[in-house]
Amino acid sequence: AQKITQTQPGMFVQEKEAVTLDCTYDTSDPSYGLFWYKQPSSGEMIFLIYQGSYDQQNATEGRYSLNFQKARKSANLVISASQLGDSAMYFCAMRARGGKLIFGQGTELSVKP
Amino acid sequence: ETGVTQSPTHLIKTRGQQVTLRCSSQSGHNTVSWYQQALGQGPQFIFQYYREEENGRGNFPPRFSGLQFPNYSSELNVNALELDDSALYLCASSSQGAGANVLTFGAGSRLTVL
Repeated sequence: AQKITQTQPGMFVQEKEAVTLDCTYDTSDPSYGLFWYKQPSSGEMIFLIYQGSYDQQNATEGRYSLNFQKARKSANLVISASQLGDSAMYFCAMRARGGKLIFGQGTELSVKP
Repeated sequence: ETGVTQSPTHLIKTRGQQVTLRCSSQSGHNTVSWYQQALGQGPQFIFQYYREEENGRGNFPPRFSGLQFPNYSSELNVNALELDDSALYLCASSSQGAGANVLTFGAGSRLTVL
């Protein structure tokens, strides 16, 4: 069965520091995609970063990078230079067959000034 | 380029009633999917529409139904509402085809069933 696991219900980070949010996945498909979304209290899911299973390099998008370790089936999100506006729920997701996304339980990130 | 818009943003219903939620997809997107997000949980896939046909469904009963219109907008209908249907309902649009197929989400419709 395809599954996403996020083991950190909540994380705290000091402003301007880096933080890593953990994500492990389970799938038997050789081709898959991994996503990270941010969900502020407003409810909208905001796309952050994508990693394809065949991508040779780790994805980066501005302050976001994805630490993709295929053998360990992990796809951790690294946020550098945290800002107060980064406080939100973060969801890791995997694209399953047919295009649907399978989400993890989420990690609530709080950035302290 | 307009994003995904959903209406209504909030609504309250009672058990047994029916509800219709609406979604306008992002310009250029031809696929719409719906997700249910219960409080404190990750979103769960309900179903997906492409070319006005349902082409994927999650583990939801038949009282959850949907439509997609020629302009790619969509509706989610839920009949015989139950208390557990209280959730944030998220609509997402995307383009079928190769590549990342990133889903663009709306801000959701928050349904409370009393």
